[in-house]
Amino acid sequence: AQSVSQHNHHVILSEAASLELGCNYSYGGTVNLFWYVQYPGQHLQLLLKYFSGDPLVKGIKGFEAEFIKSKFSFNLRKPSVQWSDTAEYFCAVIFPNDMRFGAGTRLTVKP
Amino acid sequence: DAGITQSPRYKITETGRQVTLMCHQTWSHSYMFWYRQDLGHGLRLIYYSAAADITDKGEVPDGYVVSRSKTENFPLTLESATRSQTSVYFCASSEDRGLGYTFGSGTRLTVV
Repeated sequence: AQSVSQHNHHVILSEAASLELGCNYSYGGTVNLFWYVQYPGQHLQLLLKYFSGDPLVKGIKGFEAEFIKSKFSFNLRKPSVQWSDTAEYFCAVIFPNDMRFGAGTRLTVKP
Repeated sequence: DAGITQSPRYKITETGRQVTLMCHQTWSHSYMFWYRQDLGHGLRLIYYSAAADITDKGEVPDGYVVSRSKTENFPLTLESATRSQTSVYFCASSEDRGLGYTFGSGTRLTVV
């Protein structure tokens, strides 16, 4: 079955620490990949997306993600987090017939 | 303003009552979606629509009804609300199902 997994439920970091959030999916064919961010009390906003081409994609607010096809992964990274990055992060995958979201990772950045 | 708007933002209703959540988009996107967001489950698709008068079930459609008589509107109705339907509901739209979605601000529904 097609599914999306985010391994970390809650990540706590101090400001300036580096961030990597994991996302894996189960499907052997072509997919489109997304990361969304949801700030407290707000709706989901698109951080970045990958359809094809360079597997390293850059998004807004200094975020980037790398698609590794052999690992079915699309991990989100940021070299130095800020307090304002405190939010919930959702990985999403568009399969041929469906779009699925991961369960989300809550990021707390301590000042 | 252009965009996708949901109403109401907050709703409290009683078990057994019918309630309708509204979603309106101004981009003329073909696709519209309803998701519910619950702790530990992320977002789960309830229903989606590929165009006016075309709707299809998602992952968790039971207890919900949708309609799409006009491209810009996609209301979600809970025919007889249950406590398990307490959730945050997000509407989204997209030009194409393979592209990213734009989400509304959500409706927080509490069924008591």
